[in-house]
Amino acid sequence: KAGVTQTPRYLIKTRGQQVTLSCSPISGHRSVSWYQQTPGQGLQFLFEYFSETQRNKGNFPGRFSGRQFSNSRSEMNVSTLELGDSALYLCASYLGSLGTGELFFGEGSRLTVL
Amino acid sequence: DQQVKQNSPSLSVQEGRISILNCDYTNSMFDYFLWYKKYPAEGPTFLISISSIKDKNEDGRFTVFLNKSAKHLSLHIVPSQPGDSAVYFCAASASSGAGSYQLTFGKGTKLSVIP
Repeated sequence: KAGVTQTPRYLIKTRGQQVTLSCSPISGHRSVSWYQQTPGQGLQFLFEYFSETQRNKGNFPGRFSGRQFSNSRSEMNVSTLELGDSALYLCASYLGSLGTGELFFGEGSRLTVL
Repeated sequence: DQQVKQNSPSLSVQEGRISILNCDYTNSMFDYFLWYKKYPAEGPTFLISISSIKDKNEDGRFTVFLNKSAKHLSLHIVPSQPGDSAVYFCAASASSGAGSYQLTFGKGTKLSVIP
């Protein structure tokens, strides 16, 4: 079956702009979570969605937001971009919860902020 | 406050030998632990997991050991193969209430297996 699809794969923005990233989960998976990967910090949890509801949120400023649609596809948005937002943004889909579920990651969206 | 620590950013091992990747955690509420492997330009892939009620889980060449008293887990790869060269992330989950969980990752260890 098809894996997790993230779009766009690469994008370049300038400071102050906003960006929207998309994630299509594996068919049948209703849970989606987002992570930010940077060289210095590893993978940091952004938020988790289940059945269109945000189930959990990491320690990121309000400029980072997300949503999930009825077909389980998810988007995340970053407003007023800062240089430090340059990172690989990873989406994962799974059955159940983050407690014991195996996460299936997409290839990520690489954001560069100039 | 880093709750999951992988203190070795990198590790080099000869092909055929054992690779041991270590992970320490501080949150005693973590009750499930996972290892993920990541190749460049790809997303992480699940490797192996262990519940806090166990101290060992084995899957082929991969074994994870959990020492709860020391808040330490390790991943053993025997024998190591060049294809194992990747970044390995340790992750731990804990309930954040109302049936939801939060997954915390370490910063990763880059394993290089030398032919």
